Amino acid sequence: AQKITQTQPGMFVQEKEAVTLDCTYDTSDQSYGLFWYKQPSSGEMIFLIYQGSYDEQNATEGRYSLNFQKARKSANLVISASQLGDSAMYFCPWRNDMRFGAGTRLTVKP
Amino acid sequence: DVKVTQSSRYLVKRTGEKVFLECVQDMDHENMFWYRQDPGLGLRLIYFSYDVKMKEKGDIPEGYSVSREKKERFSLILESASTNQTSMYLCASSWTSGIDEQFFGPGTRLTVL
Repeated sequence: AQKITQTQPGMFVQEKEAVTLDCTYDTSDQSYGLFWYKQPSSGEMIFLIYQGSYDEQNATEGRYSLNFQKARKSANLVISASQLGDSAMYFCPWRNDMRFGAGTRLTVKP
Repeated sequence: DVKVTQSSRYLVKRTGEKVFLECVQDMDHENMFWYRQDPGLGLRLIYFSYDVKMKEKGDIPEGYSVSREKKERFSLILESASTNQTSMYLCASSWTSGIDEQFFGPGTRLTVL
C-alpha cells in the first residue's frame, strides 16, 4: 500500500494569516491523486480539494490551494486568510487505495 | 445532495455481543468503505466493497466482517465485540475509482464495555 505521511500532529495559526499543512507520499505509481478533507469537531468529513498526478496546474478552490511538488512527493495544503471556522482535523487520503494518514489538527487563534 | 446515513450516532454494547453497524447511501455509488477513527491514528480502513456481494479487506479486518447484499447498503459486523473495538466508525461511499471524492456518513461512536 502507498504511504501517506502527515508530519504535523498539530498546528497553530493566527486568524487572517496563511498556513501550510504538509502531506508527503511514497509511491512508484505514475498515475495517482490525493484528496484533502476537513473534519471539524462535529465529526463530519468535508471534501476540500483534489490533485491528480497529471494535472498541469496546482489545484485551487477558494481559500484552499495545493502546493504540489511531484519530485518531492508532496501535496501540501495552503489555507489563505485563516478563519476561526478553519479549526479542525485535516486529512490527505491517497486516491488509489483511499488510505488516510494520521491527520493534522489545525487551531486558528483569534 | 448525496447522503450517507449510519444507523446510530452512539452505541453502547457489552463484550461478546454481536454488533451490526449499518450504512446506507442514496446516490447509487459503486464503492463503499468502512473506517475506524482513533486519536493519533487517523482513519484506518477496515473493509471496502466495489460491488454488490463483493468485499475486500482493508488494513485492520481482524474481528470484523461485512455484508453488501444491496448496492445502497453496507453493513459492518463485529462478531464478538471487544473493548479494543471501542472507536468511532465512519462509513463512506464513492462512484467508480478515479477522481471522485468519498462522501462520509456522520459516524457511529461505539463503546464496548
